[in-house]
Amino acid sequence: KQEVTQIPAALSVPEGENLVLNCSFTDSAIYNLQWFRQDPGKGLTSLLLIQSSQREQTSGRLNASLDKSSGRSTLYIAASQPGDSATYLCAPPSGGYNKLIFGAGTRLAVHP
Amino acid sequence: EAEVAQSPRYKITEKSQAVAFWCDPISGHATLYWYRQILGQGPELLVQFQDESVVDDSQLPKDRFSAERLKGVDSTLKIQPAELGDSAMYLCASSARGGGLAGNEQFFGPGTRLTVL
Repeated sequence: KQEVTQIPAALSVPEGENLVLNCSFTDSAIYNLQWFRQDPGKGLTSLLLIQSSQREQTSGRLNASLDKSSGRSTLYIAASQPGDSATYLCAPPSGGYNKLIFGAGTRLAVHP
Repeated sequence: EAEVAQSPRYKITEKSQAVAFWCDPISGHATLYWYRQILGQGPELLVQFQDESVVDDSQLPKDRFSAERLKGVDSTLKIQPAELGDSAMYLCASSARGGGLAGNEQFFGPGTRLTVL
């Protein structure tokens, strides 16, 4: 059974800092892993989909890495901005039909 | 830009009443998912459709919840009767295909916030 843990649970930083959000999962037999952003009261926005054959995936100031063997993924946010404030969720799939399993997320606050 | 549509965005109801949520996936997406998200937690899958067929409803409380996707396009999730513990965000997502294939990105709608009084 896939279980996901995200550390830290909450993070508050000044604008401009480079950030590291960590995700660990128990079942390493995955094809890919998605990172999402969720603003309060809103739906999920897909940030990055990283394939198991890749080690990294980049989009703008975001970079995600995936290490299947250790059951870990990391999301790097470069030069953080107040607009990055949100909850970040990682989700590896589980089972034969690609059901996503979510952690509780990391709640990020970037202050000016 | 193609998006997943959901309605209503907000729903307030009294316990024991019936409620229904609607989802229209991205055009051409064969797989549709309904997730429930309790405040402070990550979403949890309720039911997954591949075209019009249910492929996973292991976490769906079948005594009160039902879901259908009759023509393999849009979908309805119903709760009857609603209970206080059903208060949550109900999220719909779609992907081109299911089955654990590589490159199978899921896209989410804006959600329906349900409050049961």
